[in-house]
Amino acid sequence: EVQLVQSGAEVKKPGESLKISCQASGYTFLNYWIAWVRQMPGRGLELMGIVYPADSDIKYSPSFQGLATISADSSITTAYLQWNSLKPSDTATYFCARLRYTIGWDFDHWGRGTPVTVSS
Amino acid sequence: QSVLTQPPSASATPGQRVTISCSGGNSNIGSNTVSWFQQFPGTAPKLLIYNNDQRPSGVPDRFSGSKSGTSASLAISGLQSEDEAEYFCAAWDNNLMGLFGGGTKLTVL
Repeated sequence: EVQLVQSGAEVKKPGESLKISCQASGYTFLNYWIAWVRQMPGRGLELMGIVYPADSDIKYSPSFQGLATISADSSITTAYLQWNSLKPSDTATYFCARLRYTIGWDFDHWGRGTPVTVSS
Repeated sequence: QSVLTQPPSASATPGQRVTISCSGGNSNIGSNTVSWFQQFPGTAPKLLIYNNDQRPSGVPDRFSGSKSGTSASLAISGLQSEDEAEYFCAAWDNNLMGLFGGGTKLTVL
């Protein structure tokens, strides 16, 4: 069974750093892209970027370039999303999702989400 | 504002059929497949439709998807109270980046 287990909720102050994780199991981690998706309170879904664990190829959505850093550690089948200096506008729930390609791309499995609150 | 346009809300009574639209452009929906997701408050999105009209195992056949040109639709027939949720469409663009619609909140009256 494919599972994406995300790290727990975080409460941080502006300017602090943070790294959240998404541990995958139940499939060959190297063979699938992992996506990070932001959902701000009461808002829709936004793709931040994707990482391919086999070679750490990373693609960022233009709106999120430079705002956060995506990475993956294939030795522990885990993808990461990190910030060096959080802002209140980073308050959101962050989902990881597995990307699958058949005749097109889709997000076929999702983590439960990591709520992040940034407030002084 | 999302690149893929959905109506913000929809409503229908139990047993009725409801459709939710998703409008894009030539570089996204017009060139690539469309997925649909169902999300309940406080939970993760769930894949409902992929490759325009395919249902993952376990998704009832009351849910169906279609695509024509630069638009796609999700139809739910025999509406049930438990279908009250938010629905998102998604498609990839030719720059290999994923796009989501703004979401449609479905109310079962």
